[in-house]
Amino acid sequence: DGGITQSPKYLFRKEGQNVTLSCEQNLNHDAMYWYRQDPGQGLRLIYYSQIVNDFQKGDIAEGYSVSREKKESFPLTVTSAQKNPTAFYLCASSRQGNPYNEQFFGPGTRLTVL
Amino acid sequence: AQKVTQAQTEISVVEKEDVTLDCVYETRDTTYYLFWYKQPPSGELVFLIRRNSFDEQNEISGRYSWNFQKSTSSFNFTITASQVVDSAVYFCALSEASNSNSGYALNFGKGTSLLVTP
Repeated sequence: DGGITQSPKYLFRKEGQNVTLSCEQNLNHDAMYWYRQDPGQGLRLIYYSQIVNDFQKGDIAEGYSVSREKKESFPLTVTSAQKNPTAFYLCASSRQGNPYNEQFFGPGTRLTVL
Repeated sequence: AQKVTQAQTEISVVEKEDVTLDCVYETRDTTYYLFWYKQPPSGELVFLIRRNSFDEQNEISGRYSWNFQKSTSSFNFTITASQVVDSAVYFCALSEASNSNSGYALNFGKGTSLLVTP
């Protein structure tokens, strides 16, 4: 089955630690995105990538980093510089980076800082 | 500034009632796309519909229907004869043709939480 997988489903982090959230897709999509969702809020864009080895900051990139070494994979690292990382993180992909392609979402990772 | 407004934070209905979820958007683009997504308790967003700015035809898919009105910048979503399985958070989103500097990422509203009780 084609789709997007994210792991882990739940992640707990101590203050000062970096953690990496995994996102893999087998849809052969060029574009991938990371969004952050806070309770009662919409989704906000952290980073996006339209092609392998290229990625750009979104609206709330501070304290986060990404890589796109393979088309299928777009991991997100939450660094200790992110002051309020507790949130639900969603990875998405679309066939190409254009305005009309719908985005497909993974099941999300819920990150909690202890 | 919020480009997509979903004024209804929470709605509660009894099964078999009809319910309409409101979405108002703001854009200066003449070419744009509107989306609705459903987020069930599991968390994964599920794509429901896309509508482009040049097509104001309403759409019906089973119990779901969408009313797009450019004159009022609205793209409302109606569920007819609601069911318990419709309980979820529903998001309206906007994609603008001019927004290449964010990879055409979606601008989401804050969502409407729908609870359908038996």
